[in-house]
Amino acid sequence: AQRVTQPEKLLSVFKGAPVELKCNYSYSGSPELFWYVQYSRQRLQLLLRHISRESIKGFTADLNKGETSFHLKKPFAQEEDSAMYYCALPTGGGNKLTFGTGTQLKVEL
Amino acid sequence: DARVTQTPRDKVTEMGQEVTMRCQPILGHNTVFWYRQTMMQGLELLAYFRNRAPLDDSGMPKDRFSAEMPDATLATLKIQPSEPRDSAVYFCASGFIAAIGGTGHFKTEAFFGQGTRLTVV
Repeated sequence: AQRVTQPEKLLSVFKGAPVELKCNYSYSGSPELFWYVQYSRQRLQLLLRHISRESIKGFTADLNKGETSFHLKKPFAQEEDSAMYYCALPTGGGNKLTFGTGTQLKVEL
Repeated sequence: DARVTQTPRDKVTEMGQEVTMRCQPILGHNTVFWYRQTMMQGLELLAYFRNRAPLDDSGMPKDRFSAEMPDATLATLKIQPSEPRDSAVYFCASGFIAAIGGTGHFKTEAFFGQGTRLTVV
């Protein structure tokens, strides 16, 4: 089955500390993966996609096919990074987006 | 700045009542998704439409949920009768899904509405 797994429901870090939000996927073939972010009571918005190999708000994510992972990283957490983060994978032949269960990131002062 | 619009933002209803949630997708998008967000399950895909035709509604409880897209500017999700376990945030998302020629990849991206927070008491 094609799916993404986010093992942590909650990740709490101190401001200035490094952040790594884990995402593992199950997919036959070459996947296209996304990270979405949801700030408190707001809509989900695209943070980054692996095809673009971009860095948004200091976040990066590298696709590791050997480990089937697409972890989201940031070297120094900021208070405004506190949010829910979802990893997503196109499934159903690319027709739909399947999301992980999400990780709540809490950045403490 | 085009956005997906959902109404109502919040809905409190009594068990057994009908609930209708509405979504206005971004003009020009060919796909509309309905997701349900709960703490336990995260984001679950309920149904989605391509060019207004239902492609997959296997994520929905068929006996009480129905999704329609009467025209290109409106998608609806109905629950009848509603139950307390339906309490959740319901998100609509739209996107333009298309194959990227020669790559084997799809341009699969979803733009989300602000959601309808449903509470069934």
